[in-house]
Amino acid sequence: DAGVIQSPRHEVTEMGQEVTLRCKPISGHDYLFWYRQTMMRGLELLIYFNNNVPIDDSGMPEDRFSAKMPNASFSTLKIQPSEPRDSAVYFCASSPTGSPLHFGNGTRLTVT
Amino acid sequence: AQRVTQPEKLLSVFKGAPVELKCNYSYSGSPELFWYVQYSRQRLQLLLRHISRESIKGFTADLNKGETSFHLKKPFAQEEDSAMYYCALRAFDNYGQNFVFGPGTRLSVLP
Repeated sequence: DAGVIQSPRHEVTEMGQEVTLRCKPISGHDYLFWYRQTMMRGLELLIYFNNNVPIDDSGMPEDRFSAKMPNASFSTLKIQPSEPRDSAVYFCASSPTGSPLHFGNGTRLTVT
Repeated sequence: AQRVTQPEKLLSVFKGAPVELKCNYSYSGSPELFWYVQYSRQRLQLLLRHISRESIKGFTADLNKGETSFHLKKPFAQEEDSAMYYCALRAFDNYGQNFVFGPGTRLSVLP
């Protein structure tokens, strides 16, 4: 098992551009979580899905952020338009019901 | 409401000294607690879960429901233990499961 796969590993973009982060969960995991990590705020839950359905998106900062899970093997987190304060490491994690979370390697986003 | 607290943002100890990373939680249901570790610029990795009652890399943690705590301990710290440590709680609601993370404690083991 390759684990949770995120792409890209690094993304550098200019303010105002659209950014799309991608995640492939571990096969068979029915939960998928998106987290954002910064020095100031630590690890923040943005949104999570159960069986491809968004359950709690109260952590999504504002309307510029959106997340989708069109099928069990793929999810995206989109920021449009991006701003410098969005610079962070974005982690995707998945788990089956009743088991621990497995994290991806993260996407380091820099918005200039 | 579900909540996990880790009172220390930074903990520095000397190599060979004992380490205790504190974690407290609040949850009305039956708790399931985890410790995750993040080495520099890497992903978070599961270190311990309380139901396993095992020791990983010399670390142990015991769930104390009376004190609502799940402190992480190691008798003799090593320099390679320097990392960020997150305590997490699995909570269940009408929609399924969620994971609540504490703010993390950065452990620095000095030579």
